[in-house]
Amino acid sequence: KQEVTQIPAALSVPEGENLVLNCSFTDSAIYNLQWFRQDPGKGLTSLLLIQSSQREQTSGRLNASLDKSSGRSTLYIAASQPGDSATYLCAVMGGAQKLVFGQGTRLTINP
Amino acid sequence: DTGVSQDPRHKITKRGQNVTFRCDPISEHNRLYWYRQTLGQGPEFLTYFQNEAQLEKSRLLSDRFSAERPKGSFSTLEIQRTEQGDSAMYLCASSLSVAGNTIYFGEGSWLTVV
Repeated sequence: KQEVTQIPAALSVPEGENLVLNCSFTDSAIYNLQWFRQDPGKGLTSLLLIQSSQREQTSGRLNASLDKSSGRSTLYIAASQPGDSATYLCAVMGGAQKLVFGQGTRLTINP
Repeated sequence: DTGVSQDPRHKITKRGQNVTFRCDPISEHNRLYWYRQTLGQGPEFLTYFQNEAQLEKSRLLSDRFSAERPKGSFSTLEIQRTEQGDSAMYLCASSLSVAGNTIYFGEGSWLTVV
């Protein structure tokens, strides 16, 4: 059974810092890994999708990497801003064609 | 198309009542998912459809829960005889049925059982 773990559970940093969020998964047989953002009380917004054959994806200040063999992914956020404050969720899709989520990292960027 | 749409956004109901949520996926998407999320947790898979066929149901989906997608377009999730433990956000998502495709989520339907 696939299990996804995100560390840390919460993170608070001053504005302008670069930061890294971590995600690990137990079964490397995945189709892809997706990072989402969730604001309080809202749905999920897809940030980046990395296919199993890819090593990284970039969108603006966000960069996600994938090391499938070791079961790890990182989300790098450059030059953080208060508007980046949210919960970030990592999810993997395996052969069952459904996403398995981690519990998320709650990020707070302090002005 | 504005994305995945869910209705209602919020529902407060008394224990024992039935509730129904509706999801309208992105129009060309033939795969539709339901997830449940409680406070401080990641979403948990409930069920998914490809067109009108329900292909998988989680053990979380007790016999009080039923989901339908009668014409392969919108879907409904009904909870009968609600319990306080059903209080959660119910998320709908859709995608194309291509392996590894991006899954898009709606804003969710909050259920509070009092």
